[in-house]
Amino acid sequence: KNEVEQSPQNLTAQEGEFITINCSYSVGISALHWLQQHPGGGIVSLFMLSSGKKKHGRLIATINIQEKHSSLHITASHPRDSAVYICAVLTSGTYKYIFGTGTRLKVLA
Amino acid sequence: DVKVTQSSRYLVKRTGEKVFLECVQDMDHENMFWYRQDPGLGLRLIYFSYDVKMKEKGDIPEGYSVSREKKERFSLILESASTNQTSMYLCASSLYWRLAYNEQFFGPGTRLTVL
Repeated sequence: KNEVEQSPQNLTAQEGEFITINCSYSVGISALHWLQQHPGGGIVSLFMLSSGKKKHGRLIATINIQEKHSSLHITASHPRDSAVYICAVLTSGTYKYIFGTGTRLKVLA
Repeated sequence: DVKVTQSSRYLVKRTGEKVFLECVQDMDHENMFWYRQDPGLGLRLIYFSYDVKMKEKGDIPEGYSVSREKKERFSLILESASTNQTSMYLCASSLYWRLAYNEQFFGPGTRLTVL
């Protein structure tokens, strides 16, 4: 079993829909990182959080440390949101990054 | 803004060739990382460096070596490329080792094909 699990693996949505991507982890962490990767490869940082909730534009990330779970929400989704979303945890103690395998999102116009 | 650049976006090499992938960061970061990314497997750490001339093996170092002669530059070397090294290679950097909130910043990636 992977130490960082994301669900769903693939997601297709209609433009305007509210989207949720989930990340569960089984290790102790100091922070969790949500990343976005567009076709072509480059990875962009969205959020890094260790508690609570963060919001940036239409993106919201939440984390529940007790339940070892984080969610990334996209409100009013748009085709330009189509990308792979990757959850990564920074482990406490060893300060190692462990990555999930990503959620491939496709938003249809 | 942190900028991490990689020498090539796309590279095609033949089996047995020596391959150099270069990464440069412009924010005086201590740590630099090389990952490979394959479908269904996510990012896997090949090597990292926390200081000039220092290197540590990651999870999959076999078939690779690295060089860090200057703080801003971290090179990944495939001594004798093989077809199973066809992959997307991503470089990243972060500020300090053992920092609890140590965000990594990624380069654009190099898609390497070994024929």
